[in-house]
Amino acid sequence: NAGVMQNPRHLVRRRGQEARLRCSPMKGHSHVYWYRQLPEEGLKFMVYLQKENIIDESGMPKERFSAEFPKEGPSILRIQQVVRGDSAAYFCASSPYRDEQYFGPGTRLTVT
Amino acid sequence: GENVEQHPSTLSVQEGDSAVIKCTYSDSASNYFPWYKQELGKRPQLIIDIRSNVGEKKDQRIAVTLNKTAKHFSLHITETQPEDSAVYFCAATPGDDMRFGAGTRLTVKP
Repeated sequence: NAGVMQNPRHLVRRRGQEARLRCSPMKGHSHVYWYRQLPEEGLKFMVYLQKENIIDESGMPKERFSAEFPKEGPSILRIQQVVRGDSAAYFCASSPYRDEQYFGPGTRLTVT
Repeated sequence: GENVEQHPSTLSVQEGDSAVIKCTYSDSASNYFPWYKQELGKRPQLIIDIRSNVGEKKDQRIAVTLNKTAKHFSLHITETQPEDSAVYFCAATPGDDMRFGAGTRLTVKP
């Protein structure tokens, strides 16, 4: 059973470009969470999704950020018009229920 | 929403000593409390968890205690080893989303 997959592992974008981060949950998991981790800081909740539904997006900035988890395919975290402050590690986690979460390897976004 | 505080932010112990990390939470509806270990540049890994219907859980050198009345829970690592050096995060959730503590950087000196 493959673990949570994220790609790309490293992403470099210039200011103003778009970043698309993908997360494939573990087989059988229908709950996906996205977290952001700034250098030397903790994990900050961004958004919680189930298939085709956003359950809680209270941690996600209201502008430029969006997330989806379509019926088929991976969950996508999309950041439009990136700025330097968006540089961080973005982790997704999946869960078969609403609690136990298993993390992917993360995508390290660098905005130049 | 849930708010989790974690102490200390850094902890240095001698190999073989015990390490204790404490967390408090605010939402009395929280019922699941995992602990994650994150090594440098790696993903957080679940090391132990506890649910609100028990007060203590142990797994080899790691134990977690929960006091629901006081809304705090603790991670105990005994006989620490250099490979225990990492950042440890506590978390709490009532079910819909998980809130993390700020992390404790544990250094075990050989």
